[in-house]
Amino acid sequence: EDKVVQSPLSLVVHEGDTVTLNCSYEVTNFRSLLWYKQEKKAPTFLFMLTSSGIEKKSGRLSSILDKKELSSILNITATQTGDSAIYLCAVEGGGGADGLTFGKGTHLIIQP
Amino acid sequence: EPEVTQTPSHQVTQMGQEVILRCVPISNHLYFYWYRQILGQKVEFLVSFYNNEISEKSEIFDDQFSVERPDGSNFTLKIRSTKLEDSAMYFCASSETLRSGANVLTFGAGSRLTVL
Repeated sequence: EDKVVQSPLSLVVHEGDTVTLNCSYEVTNFRSLLWYKQEKKAPTFLFMLTSSGIEKKSGRLSSILDKKELSSILNITATQTGDSAIYLCAVEGGGGADGLTFGKGTHLIIQP
Repeated sequence: EPEVTQTPSHQVTQMGQEVILRCVPISNHLYFYWYRQILGQKVEFLVSFYNNEISEKSEIFDDQFSVERPDGSNFTLKIRSTKLEDSAMYFCASSETLRSGANVLTFGAGSRLTVL
């Protein structure tokens, strides 16, 4: 069974701090790893990482895939209160399976 | 920006009743999905749908559940004889392609189902 584990489960920091969120996975046939940001409603797509694209960056957010360690990190620099959300890691794998396997998420709270 | 829309946003029902959750995927997307998230737990895959048939389903998606694309735009999830444990947020999602390593899903805002 595919498995995705995120840590920490929750994190409280002050505005301006840098945070690193972790995701590790065990899948039978890894295809891609995705990061989503979930605020009050729909998860919104942040990054997709694959064997051919192991590092992505967008503004203050960046993510790296470590295929050897079967893990990924999501970095957020100069955090703002609007970054407060649950960050979900999901993996596409399982021998052609359609569905994504999600982790439980990291609940990030940015205090002013 | 194109979005996936879901209705209703919140439904309260009595145990044993049938509910239908509706979704309008992004118009040029070909693959459709339902996921659920029980309060405090992780997002779980239920079913994927392509070319008017189920492509894959999880163990959660038993005979109590069914999906349908009744017309060219709607994608529905029907839950027959609801149980207390069906209470959850149900997310619809769609993607343009299922090509390996390019399966970016766009999620709807979710339908919260409360079974009493």
